[in-house]
Amino acid sequence: GAGVSQSPRYKVAKRGQDVALRCDPISGHVSLFWYQQALGQGPEFLTYFQNEAQLDKSGLPSDRFFAERPEGSVSTLKIQRTQQEDSAVYLCASSLSGLNQPQHFGDGTRLSIL
Amino acid sequence: TQLLEQSPQFLSIQEGENLTVYCNSSSVFSSLQWYRQEPGEGPVLLVTVVTGGEVKKLKRLTFQFGDARKDSSLHITAAQPGDTGLYLCAGGDNYGQNFVFGPGTRLSVLP
Repeated sequence: GAGVSQSPRYKVAKRGQDVALRCDPISGHVSLFWYQQALGQGPEFLTYFQNEAQLDKSGLPSDRFFAERPEGSVSTLKIQRTQQEDSAVYLCASSLSGLNQPQHFGDGTRLSIL
Repeated sequence: TQLLEQSPQFLSIQEGENLTVYCNSSSVFSSLQWYRQEPGEGPVLLVTVVTGGEVKKLKRLTFQFGDARKDSSLHITAAQPGDTGLYLCAGGDNYGQNFVFGPGTRLSVLP
């Protein structure tokens, strides 16, 4: 596609519910990144894929967070048993290959946990 | 863990003024990227600087990478209201293993 697409744009969930956030990267981009951005802050790295391989998940805040990219294209970030502190904008980015290539971002999913 | 600091955190200026924002670290970066983010949107890449001492110009924006590749600056000449946004620097280490964003400088240019 023309750009990185994320869905849904907004998600409201009750505390304790599970949520799934989807990212469609730019076609042909090998690398895919997930970030969490709190209000007024810069993006915080969560995890990084090269094709279907999750090379780094050191930024995932807890074992309630899980990301996958089974076919090396679309990725899903899943949060189980959501907590209020999970409320944030979740950004997805893709790049041709590697960490130092320019990253193209989607517009994010704004998650609100009530 | 590599960290990037940005200053100032907030900047409000009048249209036509010049400004400089800074991105600093105690670590060496293989490259630094500058992004601009508007409310409700994802960051958009402005420039990548790779070589120590490098200067890149993008219309009224001038980017400089420090000689030691630990810091960078963004200078805007004759700022316009359309320059308003969150300016983020980001970089990766020499080993291709870490990539971090700074906290950003929120710029407001008043007409």
